Amino acid sequence: GDSVTQMEGPVTLSEEAFLTINCTYTATGYPSLFWYVQYPGEGLQLLLKATKADDKGSNKGFEATYRKETTSFHLEKGSVQVSDSAVYFCALTRTSYDKVIFGPGTSLSVIP
Amino acid sequence: NAGVTQTPKFRILKIGQSMTLQCTQDMNHNYMYWYRQDPGMGLKLIYYSVGAGITDKGEVPNGYNVSRSTTEDFPLRLELAAPSQTSVYFCASGYNYEQYFGPGTRLTVT
Repeated sequence: GDSVTQMEGPVTLSEEAFLTINCTYTATGYPSLFWYVQYPGEGLQLLLKATKADDKGSNKGFEATYRKETTSFHLEKGSVQVSDSAVYFCALTRTSYDKVIFGPGTSLSVIP
Repeated sequence: NAGVTQTPKFRILKIGQSMTLQCTQDMNHNYMYWYRQDPGMGLKLIYYSVGAGITDKGEVPNGYNVSRSTTEDFPLRLELAAPSQTSVYFCASGYNYEQYFGPGTRLTVT
């Protein structure tokens, strides 16, 4: 079945460091890919998405490119801030109304 | 728009008690979901609904029940609470690839 794998955390970075969180997926066809973020004590919220191969999703300085050839959707940010400390979930879905499959999440802590 | 609201925010149950977690959305989304999130873990789908009157099981439905009598409401019922049901419960609605999450209910069963 479909699945999502993420790099294990926790990840700890200093402020202004470069961030990469790896995400790979297993799915037939062409799923849509997402990154969700969960700030402490809150529900998940959509950070960015890409619905077809080679699309780049971006939001709040974060970017991820849908790579069909490597089945990957790695999250990057050039300069992290303390306010980026959160848990990040990679996810996929097959159709606009299908169930979403989430990865296990990667916890990020950014220290001043 | 309030989005997705959940009540209560916190609850402590004794083993064997029952309760209903409430979820309401005001975005007129047909799709709604219930997830549980255990400490340090990802989300597991409990039940979902594709519209009023239609529900289906997710990955971990045992010990839970749902109903969907209106588009807005999707309550989750716990019967005979067990310690294994200690978790944070999230309700979500879905539209056009995106899911919109409520703030969660933290449930402890002792």
